[in-house]
Amino acid sequence: GQQVQQSPASLVLQEGENAELQCNFSSTATQLQWFYQSPGGSLVSLLSNPSGTKHTGRLTSTTVTKERRSSLHISSSQTTDSGTYLCAPGGNYKPTFGKGTSLVVHP
Amino acid sequence: EAAVTQSPRSKVAVTGGKVTLSCHQTNNHDYMYWYRQDTGHGLRLIHYSYVADSTEKGDIPDGYKASRPSQENFSLILELASLSQTAVYFCASSVRGRDSDYTFGSGTRLLVI
Repeated sequence: GQQVQQSPASLVLQEGENAELQCNFSSTATQLQWFYQSPGGSLVSLLSNPSGTKHTGRLTSTTVTKERRSSLHISSSQTTDSGTYLCAPGGNYKPTFGKGTSLVVHP
Repeated sequence: EAAVTQSPRSKVAVTGGKVTLSCHQTNNHDYMYWYRQDTGHGLRLIHYSYVADSTEKGDIPDGYKASRPSQENFSLILELASLSQTAVYFCASSVRGRDSDYTFGSGTRLLVI
């Protein structure tokens, strides 16, 4: 089955710094999503980006389908960005989740 | 507002007992999913469904059954709860062609003793 590796496992930033999160996966994926899990546990979809580059707000995702990797760039981090970021490649509407990158942003 | 509602929010169950977790969505989504989340494992897919009255096995279906009696409702059933099924369970829904509309419920924290 699909194997998903996210790096780094954890990241600590000062407010205003940028973050670069990486996701590598083992099998071709026709779908790829990034999710955010809050410290309280709630999960929300950030964006869907199966290929190319996509921007939404302070988030930029770049997915290179042939190389089976995706990145999520967070610009000008804020304390409210703290939480866990999950990458989920998949196909047929069945995503496989990575273990995530835990981000802590200090004021 | 479109939503995925899970019940109960938390539950303590006895080993060997039957547990039913419920999920209701008002998104009018085709797909519904059950995941479990454990420390060290991340989110793992248990069962999913893309149409009412039909369910599919996910990556870790052993010990779990699922039921989707209508488009809006999706249940996860543990016939004989075991200690290893202690986890947080998330329900989610999505719709064909709109990946960004993937919506999670708030989770059910299950403790089996």
